[in-house]
Amino acid sequence: GEDVEQSLFLSVREGDSSVINCTYTDSSSTYLYWYKQEPGAGLQLLTYIFSNMDMKQDQRLTVLLNKKDKHLSLRIADTQTGDSAIYFCAERAASKLTFGTGTRLQVTL
Amino acid sequence: DTAVSQTPKYLVTQMGNDKSIKCEQNLGHDTMYWYKQDSKKFLKIMFSYNNKELIINETVPNRFSPKSPDKAHLNLHINSLELGDSAVYFCASSPRLAPVAEAFFGQGTRLTVV
Repeated sequence: GEDVEQSLFLSVREGDSSVINCTYTDSSSTYLYWYKQEPGAGLQLLTYIFSNMDMKQDQRLTVLLNKKDKHLSLRIADTQTGDSAIYFCAERAASKLTFGTGTRLQVTL
Repeated sequence: DTAVSQTPKYLVTQMGNDKSIKCEQNLGHDTMYWYKQDSKKFLKIMFSYNNKELIINETVPNRFSPKSPDKAHLNLHINSLELGDSAVYFCASSPRLAPVAEAFFGQGTRLTVV
């Protein structure tokens, strides 16, 4: 079966960098995604990476993929209070999108 | 225009009742999904439909029955509701043939069974 795991909680100070980690088990994953869920809201796609890439940068977001270790990370530079949310990684294999357990990011002043 | 819309947004009902949640997407996508998010925020896929055909059914009790009348709609009907069905249910869609088949999510339906 597929398992996608994340640490449950991360607290950072405003202006610092945040790094959210994710591990997955399905080696047939084609795409890996990061979604953001703000309180009471649905899921918003932040960024994605194709499984044959190592890194992708998109403004303040940097995604790193270590396919050998099946490890994905999301770095948010200059973290702002508006970044406070739950972040889900997800892997796509064929028609199935499997989500991680979610990491709650708290940004403090 | 809302890409993926679900109704209702909130649903409070008694145990034993039957209820439906509707989902519509106007993105022209081939694939639609239902996800359940429990109180601990764990997101689990329930069903996936592609061109009105069921392709994934993830160990969901048969009290849950998805119905896809056409490619743009995937409704979820739940019979004999139980307390443990209380959760937020998310509908999503994705383009099957797109190079990056990201899923677009609805805003969720918060179901509370009392």
